[in-house]
Amino acid sequence: GQQLNQSPQSMFIQEGEDVSMNCTSSSIFNTWLWYKQDPGEGPVLLIALYKAGELTSNGRLTAQFGITRKDSFLNISASIPSDVGIYFCAGLEGAQKLVFGQGTRLTINP
Amino acid sequence: DTAVSQTPKYLVTQMGNDKSIKCEQNLGHDTMYWYKQDSKKFLKIMFSYNNKELIINETVPNRFSPKSPDKAHLNLHINSLELGDSAVYFCASSQVPIQGYGYTFGSGTRLTVV
Repeated sequence: GQQLNQSPQSMFIQEGEDVSMNCTSSSIFNTWLWYKQDPGEGPVLLIALYKAGELTSNGRLTAQFGITRKDSFLNISASIPSDVGIYFCAGLEGAQKLVFGQGTRLTINP
Repeated sequence: DTAVSQTPKYLVTQMGNDKSIKCEQNLGHDTMYWYKQDSKKFLKIMFSYNNKELIINETVPNRFSPKSPDKAHLNLHINSLELGDSAVYFCASSQVPIQGYGYTFGSGTRLTVV
């Protein structure tokens, strides 16, 4: 199956800093999604991208679907303590199977 | 509340036992899934069902048997539990085609085999 490489694996930042993480694939995806997982909870959808080149925002979050359809990035501006968690990229394989990246663990120092 | 709910939240059991995890969604979705999250937080699909029909069956040991009595429920039964089965199991649901809406996940079942 397809695999996604997500980086960085972990980030330690100061509150108020901007964050950037990305995801690459050796194969093309027609849909990219970004999820966040809080401790003890399931992943929650942040942003969905389904058009190559698309740039989409959700509050302080911005994500882009790469032109080649093999990559995507997620930016978080002006980080706050509740941004702490694990962020996952996911690519849609076929009609219904989501393939996930390894996750980026975000830690914020107050 | 509209959601995907799974029970139990925590499950501690001995090797060799048989256990079940239940999942229900009231979102009206026609497809449900089981994912396994290992200790490194990697999420990997196990099964998916569409209107009670098995669609995706990844390389999962035969000891794992999903059952979907109706499209709102997808249960996971595990026979002869092994230490390596310890993980967090997530149920999810979606409409198909997914397009931009993704899955809605349950809050997970942490299975610990001792």
